[in-house]
Amino acid sequence: SQTIHQWPATLVQPVGSPLSLECTVEGTSNPNLYWYRQAAGRGLQLLFYSVGIGQISSEVPQNLSASRPQDRQFILSSKKLLLSDSGFYLCAWNRWGRRQYTDTQYFGPGTRLTVL
Amino acid sequence: AQSVTQLDSHVSVSEGTPVLLRCNYSSSYSPSLFWYVQHPNKGLQLLLKYTSAATLVKGINGFEAEFKKSETSFHLTKPSAHMSDAAEYFCVVSDRNSSASKIIFGSGTRLSIRP
Repeated sequence: SQTIHQWPATLVQPVGSPLSLECTVEGTSNPNLYWYRQAAGRGLQLLFYSVGIGQISSEVPQNLSASRPQDRQFILSSKKLLLSDSGFYLCAWNRWGRRQYTDTQYFGPGTRLTVL
Repeated sequence: AQSVTQLDSHVSVSEGTPVLLRCNYSSSYSPSLFWYVQHPNKGLQLLLKYTSAATLVKGINGFEAEFKKSETSFHLTKPSAHMSDAAEYFCVVSDRNSSASKIIFGSGTRLSIRP
């Protein structure tokens, strides 16, 4: 069965510090991977998605970046955090448009980021 | 273009009474429709999914939803609310003929259960 991991679970960082959040998927190959942010009391905002290694699409311009160094690894980064980067970050995967297709997204447990 | 509207930001019901969470969608093609549930500080869990098979979809925890094309609706219901149902619920639409990014989330409905 497939599982998706995120770490850390919680993170408190000062303004201006760097960020690295990691997401890994097990039990499937060549997934589509997604990063979402959920601000307090609000819906999900798609930040990035990736259909393959090294292929990143950005949905919202900001000071965040994403990378996919391996097939099942998706990293969210920032060089300098802003207060507005606080939120709940969710990673998700599906297999849209691929063999063994599923458009259902499966979510990780999330990372709670607080920028002070 | 796709869109999804959750008509209520907050719904409060008494334990044991029915639950209705409303969702309307707009899609140019054949949509897939989903309901997800999110408990505090947790990831999203799939409740149910519609993909052009039966219009009445049964999900986990006693929830079900009916796809009504004429009304462009996909409302979530449960006959009898339980305290553990208190959570945030998201309606989602995707276009199976489009790209990976065309997955649209509603703004969410917070469900509260009164004892």
